[in-house]
Amino acid sequence: GDSVTQMEGPVTLSEEAFLTINCTYTATGYPSLFWYVQYPGEGLQLLLKATKADDKGSNKGFEATYRKETTSFHLEKGSVQVSDSAVYFCALALDSNYQLIWGAGTKLIIKP
Amino acid sequence: EAGVAQSPRYKIIEKRQSVAFWCNPISGHATLYWYQQILGQGPKLLIQFQNNGVVDDSQLPKDRFSAERLKGVDSTLKIQPAKLEDSAVYLCASSSFGGLHTGELFFGEGSRLTVL
Repeated sequence: GDSVTQMEGPVTLSEEAFLTINCTYTATGYPSLFWYVQYPGEGLQLLLKATKADDKGSNKGFEATYRKETTSFHLEKGSVQVSDSAVYFCALALDSNYQLIWGAGTKLIIKP
Repeated sequence: EAGVAQSPRYKIIEKRQSVAFWCNPISGHATLYWYQQILGQGPKLLIQFQNNGVVDDSQLPKDRFSAERLKGVDSTLKIQPAKLEDSAVYLCASSSFGGLHTGELFFGEGSRLTVL
């Protein structure tokens, strides 16, 4: 069945370090891909998205590229800040029903 | 623009008791979702409404969970009787019709349930 796999956390980095959070997916058809973020004490919010192969989503310094050949959508940021500490969820949406299928989430901790 | 409102934020009950959660979506959003998020896992869809009709409730444990969306606006999720494994955060989300097709959902802060 359709699924999303994320790297396990927590991921702990120092401020200004380079960030990669891996996400791979299994899906029939051509899904859209998303990263959602959950800051402490807040609800989930959309961070970025890509709707077709080779698209790059970007927001707040984060980027992710839809790689169909490797079925991946890895999240990257060149220089993280303490304020980026949160839980990050990778998700896909199928054209058939537009429902989101979620990864388990990766907790990111940034130390000053 | 007001966000998705949920209440209560926290609830502690004993097993076999009942509990109800309330959600008010963003004004004008036709689609409303209830998700269950167990610690360390991604959200699991319980039920999806389009206006006041149910689109998908295939993962809703109907022997104990029920949900309604009267008048196509706010919604209530009820659990009766609760089990220990129902301890989770219950998330409500909404989307406009266009947002539904782009996967952009707007979430409330969630209601954390602890069943003792």
